[in-house]
Amino acid sequence: DTEVTQTPKHLVMGMTNKKSLKCEQHMGHRAMYWYKQKAKKPPELMFVYSYEKLSINESVPSRFSPECPNSSLLNLHLHALQPEDSALYLCASSPLPSILDTGELFFGEGSRLTVL
Amino acid sequence: KNQVEQSPQSLIILEGKNCTLQCNYTVSPFSNLRWYKQDTGRGPVSLTIMTFSENTKSNGRYTATLDADTKQSSLHITASQLSDSASYICVVRGTGGGNKLTFGTGTQLKVEL
Repeated sequence: DTEVTQTPKHLVMGMTNKKSLKCEQHMGHRAMYWYKQKAKKPPELMFVYSYEKLSINESVPSRFSPECPNSSLLNLHLHALQPEDSALYLCASSPLPSILDTGELFFGEGSRLTVL
Repeated sequence: KNQVEQSPQSLIILEGKNCTLQCNYTVSPFSNLRWYKQDTGRGPVSLTIMTFSENTKSNGRYTATLDADTKQSSLHITASQLSDSASYICVVRGTGGGNKLTFGTGTQLKVEL
């Protein structure tokens, strides 16, 4: 199984809603990532979890709250978002969060978020 | 500042033709460079990885080159197919702290009949 599974595929929410994006991998990878991608732009790193601990937060606004319940799951909790937060949110994983890693990211298909 | 720039920004070619995409980077110290293919609305998928000692590597109709001296890489696609229509992203990994990667701006390729 070499898949990273993201749910939901599409999400429409109002600015006062609370919702969550979910990501799951069963490849035994110990690093998991959230990326945000706007149309025709490359993915932008948001968060990195290494061994279930938050290791990188790229100065992401607090209305985005990541959570890593275990080594296979990664959530992104959303609250009080703005219309400009509408984007494709990509989850990725990699085998090792260390210099030994070849740096290959295994991406999910993304969650398309629209904030009204 | 680490940067990865790709050219052209977009490209339209006829099916069956060849094309070459370029990637220039300033990431230093350098660890490796990957080319990813991203279909519309999907996550990127790795095509090939180039390390410091490698000059050329092929994966089917895709051939990547790396010149570590000039910090340039190219991705050559042979006998293009409609399914090659996608965004191609060059991602460079440095050996600096953390596990951070520098993404290029991408080349949007469209293959037409």
